[in-house]
Amino acid sequence: NAGVMQNPRHLVRRRGQEARLRCSPMKGHSHVYWYRQLPEEGLKFMVYLQKENIIDESGMPKERFSAEFPKEGPSILRIQQVVRGDSAAYFCASSPNTDTQYFGPGTRLTVL
Amino acid sequence: ILNVEQSPQSLHVQEGDSTNFTCSFPSSNFYALHWYRWETAKSPEALFVMTLNGDEKKKGRISATLNTKEGYSYLYIKGSQPEDSATYLCAFNSGGSNYKLTFGKGTLLTVNP
Repeated sequence: NAGVMQNPRHLVRRRGQEARLRCSPMKGHSHVYWYRQLPEEGLKFMVYLQKENIIDESGMPKERFSAEFPKEGPSILRIQQVVRGDSAAYFCASSPNTDTQYFGPGTRLTVL
Repeated sequence: ILNVEQSPQSLHVQEGDSTNFTCSFPSSNFYALHWYRWETAKSPEALFVMTLNGDEKKKGRISATLNTKEGYSYLYIKGSQPEDSATYLCAFNSGGSNYKLTFGKGTLLTVNP
């Protein structure tokens, strides 16, 4: 069973561009979580999704950020009009409806 | 705002030493406490999920205890090896309708050969 996959692993964008981060959960997992690690900070919850539903987006900035987990395909975290402050490592985790969350390797976003 | 604190921030030990770190969390509205091991450039690896006061869990040379009444958990490593070098994270889950984790900043362990 492959682990949680994230791509790309590294993403460089210029200010004002869009960033799309993908997360493929482990097989059989229908719960996906996105976390962000800003420089010198711990992992911070952003959003929790189940298939086709956003359950909790309380940690996600209200503007420019959106997330989806469609019926088919990976979960996508989308950041529009990126700014330098969006530079961070973005981690996805999945779970099969148990307590343990299994993390991917992260996408490191750099905004120039 | 939930506060999860870990101490120490970093720790250097010699190979063979035993060591332990602390995670403190809110004692109210507790659901679960998670420990993760995180090596640089890799995914955080789940070690333990602990739910009951007095829980003790063990995985090889690593073990953890839980005190929900006073809001702390200890992680112990017996006979540290260089491959144990990593950041150890704890995360608090207050339950409710989802499994949102609130992480501490971690303890960075370096084991010198």
